[in-house]
Amino acid sequence: QVQLQESGPGLVRPSETLSLTCSVSGDSVNSGSYYWSWIRQAPGKGLEWLGSLYSTGTTDYNPSLKRRFTISVDTSKNHFSLKLSSVTASDTALYYCARGKAAIVGAPVFDYWGQGTLVTVSS
Amino acid sequence: DIQMTQSPSSLSASVGDRVTITCRASQSINKWLAWYQQKPGKAPQLLIYNPSNFESGVPSRFSGSGSGTEFTLTISSLQPDDFATYICQQYSDYPWTFGQGTKVEI
Repeated sequence: QVQLQESGPGLVRPSETLSLTCSVSGDSVNSGSYYWSWIRQAPGKGLEWLGSLYSTGTTDYNPSLKRRFTISVDTSKNHFSLKLSSVTASDTALYYCARGKAAIVGAPVFDYWGQGTLVTVSS
Repeated sequence: DIQMTQSPSSLSASVGDRVTITCRASQSINKWLAWYQQKPGKAPQLLIYNPSNFESGVPSRFSGSGSGTEFTLTISSLQPDDFATYICQQYSDYPWTFGQGTKVEI
């Protein structure tokens, strides 16, 4: 059974960098053709795909984040991470990590999710 | 970005009812749409994609259809476990985008 678990600070100050980690069990972040992804849900809003890391190391990011977002992977720890720089109050959200599988070539649907971690941006 | 609009935003139904939820895309997405179920305090759970391929374990009372810009998720006979929010996602073009959700409540 694949399981994902987010971890990281629940409070980040404006203009600082948000860092979260997603620990994966039951699968390997460098095996198979999966998209290791971050998705967030701001209070009262819909889901927003932030970016994905393909098993080959290729990354895709949502252009709306204006290059503030980075995904990296640590295969020795079987986890992947998110860094979002220059955060503002609008980055306050429930952050999910998820595994995407290719529904069609190059495009994922998300079949396993973490439970989510709430991040608040406030001074 | 492709905008996904779901209707209704919420609906009231009873056990045994047939329920239909609509998801409209701001441009054609062929048939590249998925549906998720989300219960309060839980992560979304993949139900259907492409748009009628079932994820493992999804009951047959769920069905998906549509192509182009209009899609539907149908629950043929609503069960108590089905009261939840349903969310569509397009994967036709970057960035992948989601609908706002339709809450199915009693």
